[in-house]
Amino acid sequence: NAGVTQTPKFRILKIGQSMTLQCTQDMNHNYMYWYRQDPGMGLKLIYYSVGAGITDKGEVPNGYNVSRSTTEDFPLRLELAAPSQTSVYFCASKKDLKETQYFGPGTRLLVL
Amino acid sequence: QKEVEQDPGPLSVPEGAIVSLNCTYSNSAFQYFMWYRQYSRKGPELLMYTYSSGNKEDGRFTAQVDKSSKYISLFIRDSQPSDSATYLCAIARIKAAGNKLTFGGGTRVLVKP
Repeated sequence: NAGVTQTPKFRILKIGQSMTLQCTQDMNHNYMYWYRQDPGMGLKLIYYSVGAGITDKGEVPNGYNVSRSTTEDFPLRLELAAPSQTSVYFCASKKDLKETQYFGPGTRLLVL
Repeated sequence: QKEVEQDPGPLSVPEGAIVSLNCTYSNSAFQYFMWYRQYSRKGPELLMYTYSSGNKEDGRFTAQVDKSSKYISLFIRDSQPSDSATYLCAIARIKAAGNKLTFGGGTRVLVKP
């Protein structure tokens, strides 16, 4: 198993540009999550999904969108990039309620 | 008030020392508790998790939970330079929608040879 994979590893965006951060897991996990991590800060939840077709907002959803058309994929969309979205983005997944979350390697995003 | 508070460090110790990390939380509804380790430019990886008050050991790592004080700790015995990382506490309510985790800000640990 590859676990949780994320692409790209690093990206520079100009203000106002759009992009999609990709996340794929091959563990047949129901739950998937998107977090952002700012320097010296913990992880803040952006969006999560409890299964294909079901998504919900987390703590900091403004400026982002998600979709979950398959169990494996959970892409995160930034529509109009802003400098405040400069961060490291982590995707995570888990099988069910009492299981632990497995994290991907992260995507570093710089918005200039 | 933040739901989870964690001293950011950095915490610098000599090799072989005991590393002591802790978090406090504000909501007594939280039911399970985790510690993640995060190396530089990597994703967090789970070290320990527990549902109950008391101690849980795994090799050189001991997690301690005191629900009455809303206080959780992680101890690393015989610390090694490879333990140098950021340690994040995370807490959750099992029945919360999506079973979301709430993370502390992380403590940077540096173990010097």
